[in-house]
Amino acid sequence: LAKTTQPISMDSYEGQEVNITCSHNNIATNDYITWYQQFPSQGPRFIIQGYKTKVTNEVASLFIPADRKSSTLSLPRVSLSDTAVYYCLVGGGWRSNFGNEKLTFGTGTRLTIIP
Amino acid sequence: ETGVTQTPRHLVMGMTNKKSLKCEQHLGHNAMYWYKQSAKKPLELMFVYNFKEQTENNSVPSRFSPECPNSSHLFLHLHTLQPEDSALYLCASSEQREHSYNEQFFGPGTRLTVL
Repeated sequence: LAKTTQPISMDSYEGQEVNITCSHNNIATNDYITWYQQFPSQGPRFIIQGYKTKVTNEVASLFIPADRKSSTLSLPRVSLSDTAVYYCLVGGGWRSNFGNEKLTFGTGTRLTIIP
Repeated sequence: ETGVTQTPRHLVMGMTNKKSLKCEQHLGHNAMYWYKQSAKKPLELMFVYNFKEQTENNSVPSRFSPECPNSSHLFLHLHTLQPEDSALYLCASSEQREHSYNEQFFGPGTRLTVL
């Protein structure tokens, strides 16, 4: 299983762009890179997922360099409601035999947005 | 609201009690998961069920016993637990398709306290 490393915590002011980088040096060929968000006392919520290059949706962008050994989650113009823990996951690819590759959650990055 | 519900939301039990956690998904998914989240630790995958068949048991002690009677319901039966089993227990579901990423939808969790 590919292990991920992310900063334990980050602070940012409202209205700024926040970039959280995740390292995954031993990512496998069929691994996806996925980010989840978790608020206190709630389950994690899917934010964005990618395999290579750049992916953008209505809430975030995901930048993945060519070697795929790292990825950066970008949150544009954050607000107080973006205060949460953000998890970078690697895996989730479908194997040829029955059964899904299991996802491994790391400790996540605790993002605090300051008014 | 993610389409995954868990009951009860909070549970306090003694070490000699037997209790069960219930998870129900209203998304038509074919895979369900149990995770454990302890304070200051990453989410730990406990069990995975695909089409009601258990495909993953991540070295979980036998005092935790899962049951998946159909693809919409998942139970976690608890007996003779230890205080260190106190944690947030999260259920998730996903639709497993070949050669595609399987986003997981999480429930709100059950906060378990073992006295």
